[in-house]
Amino acid sequence: SQKIEQNSEALNIQEGKTATLTCNYTNYSPAYLQWYRQDPGRGPVFLLLIRENEKEKRKERLKVTFDTTLKQSLFHITASQPADSATYLCALDMDTGRRALTFGSGTRLQVQP
Amino acid sequence: NAGVTQTPKFQVLKTGQSMTLQCAQDMNHNSMYWYRQDPGMGLRLIYYSASEGTTDKGEVPNGYNVSRLNKREFSLRLESAAPSQTSVYFCASSGTPESTDTQYFGPGTRLTVL
Repeated sequence: SQKIEQNSEALNIQEGKTATLTCNYTNYSPAYLQWYRQDPGRGPVFLLLIRENEKEKRKERLKVTFDTTLKQSLFHITASQPADSATYLCALDMDTGRRALTFGSGTRLQVQP
Repeated sequence: NAGVTQTPKFQVLKTGQSMTLQCAQDMNHNSMYWYRQDPGMGLRLIYYSASEGTTDKGEVPNGYNVSRLNKREFSLRLESAAPSQTSVYFCASSGTPESTDTQYFGPGTRLTVL
């Protein structure tokens, strides 16, 4: 079956370091992949979209890579700050026959000062 | 520009009661969605509406009904609430029916069914 996998364990890093989060998917070749940020008690907020023909995309301190051979996306936050602490979700169009995204369960990032 | 709004923010129901969750967007988006989010389960799609006048089932539609009232509003109804429907419900919208592009989420409704 098709699924999206994100590390369910929280990632704890020190302020100033680079955080790297992983999103793996199976049995499908999506046209694009999206990353969202979710703070406690709030709805997800869109961060970045990367298409299948793009290897890498950047936005300020954020960088996303997309390896369609490995079926994996990596999400990097450089020079991390305590304010970056949140849960990060990846999302794909998983070819379910529905014109809607399928979301991973997310990885919680905790940046220690 | 309020984006996506949801009411109510919190609700407690008894088993068997009914209620309607309201959602509205002011971004002139064509597509709207209802998700539920449970611990460790991520966001699961309940129903969606690719365009005004259409609705389709998502991954977990049982026990729910929806109405796309107009382009702005998309409501979710629980006819007979069950404890298994205790969850956080998010409404979202996106721009075009031709592509599943960026989704904009509301603040959520926290529902407890006793």
